[in-house]
Amino acid sequence: GAVVSQHPSWVICKSGTSVKIECRSLDFQATTMFWYRQFPKQSLMLMATSNEGSKATYEQGVEKDKFLINHASLTLSTLTVTSAHPEDSSFYICSAAPQGGALHFGNGTRLTVT
Amino acid sequence: AQSVTQPDIHITVSEGASLELRCNYSYGATPYLFWYVQSPGQGLQLLLKYFSGDTLVQGIKGFEAEFKRSQSSFNLRKPSVHWSDAAEYFCAVGASTGNQFYFGTGTSLTVIP
Repeated sequence: GAVVSQHPSWVICKSGTSVKIECRSLDFQATTMFWYRQFPKQSLMLMATSNEGSKATYEQGVEKDKFLINHASLTLSTLTVTSAHPEDSSFYICSAAPQGGALHFGNGTRLTVT
Repeated sequence: AQSVTQPDIHITVSEGASLELRCNYSYGATPYLFWYVQSPGQGLQLLLKYFSGDTLVQGIKGFEAEFKRSQSSFNLRKPSVHWSDAAEYFCAVGASTGNQFYFGTGTSLTVIP
């Protein structure tokens, strides 16, 4: 079945540094990928839609300059949290769907900013 | 407006007992419906989906769900719960491609021996 791989699974960084999270579709091509943020014991919040070869579409309230998204190929999207602060600490999850199929999710990245 | 409601925030069942997790949706078009499971610290795993056809769908791990259009519901069931089923369960509705996906707030399942 469709597999979405996300890396790293966890990362700890210092305040002010940047962190890059990768999301790969392993056995299908994805022109669109999605980035979610999940707060403890809450549901997923869609942050942005990553579009291969064009700019990402951000949801209202999400800072595009803080959360940089790049979708350079049909199998890879990256989310870079720039100048991270403790309030950016969260669980970030990406997803993608094969053509006509259901969304599949990566295993998530636990970001802790100290 | 599109939305998904999972009325039960937390459910506790005994191992071996049956389980039903409720999901109600509001969606303007023909809905695609999904159930996902999330173990602690993990991403979401697709349990099952309904696109069309038979309204009773079978999924992985012995789960099934029934689409009832008249009730705008898509409840998840399992005849006999195992301790490993303890997790967070999310119902979702939307287009299959994800850009109009709406998640419920989740139901946390605890299984007691």
